[in-house]
Amino acid sequence: EAGVVQSPRYKIIEKKQPVAFWCNPISGHNTLYWYLQNLGQGPELLIRYENEEAVDDSQLPKDRFSAERLKGVDSTLKIQPAELGDSAVYLCASSLGGVGNRQFFGPGTRLTVL
Amino acid sequence: AQTVTQSQPEMSVQEAETVTLSCTYDTSESNYYLFWYKQPPSRQMILVIRQEAYKQQNATENRFSVNFQKAAKSFSLKISDSQLGDTAMYFCAFMIYNQGGKLIFGQGTELSVKP
Repeated sequence: EAGVVQSPRYKIIEKKQPVAFWCNPISGHNTLYWYLQNLGQGPELLIRYENEEAVDDSQLPKDRFSAERLKGVDSTLKIQPAELGDSAVYLCASSLGGVGNRQFFGPGTRLTVL
Repeated sequence: AQTVTQSQPEMSVQEAETVTLSCTYDTSESNYYLFWYKQPPSRQMILVIRQEAYKQQNATENRFSVNFQKAAKSFSLKISDSQLGDTAMYFCAFMIYNQGGKLIFGQGTELSVKP
């Protein structure tokens, strides 16, 4: 089966510019996660979707970050405007519904803000 | 606070030898799951092994096994017969049962397997 797909793999932008990341989860996975991974750190959850509903967005900096999951499949994470501190890897993961189910991760998008 | 601590930033092991990665965690919850994930340079997180906290028996997956000590809140990973392909960052994580699917990760241990 195809894995979690993310694009782009790399993105370099100037500060204050907008940027968007795209994620296509594994077919049939109704739960989708966006994680932020700073250099040398473990991932931290930004937002979790159950189908098209954001059920946990408590760690999402809502002043500049937004996300959507239209039709409960693909998802987009946006930053506007980007700041230098946003340079990191943005990981998308998906799983079947239910607690404890295995999360499958995509390869991530490495963002560099200059 | 719910935290995961991996006290070994870097480790190395000779090919075919055995290595143990340490992990401790802190939570007041009693129902949770524990995981070890591997992240090679390609960045794709791969699940290595999973343990339900209510199970006393330690999980095993081929060359990978865990030593789960619930009272001590310790969850170490043992890799037997280390292979060059095991070279990667290893992250310990846990998931509280009643907090949906939120994974809480440690800082990672960078493992190098040397020929």
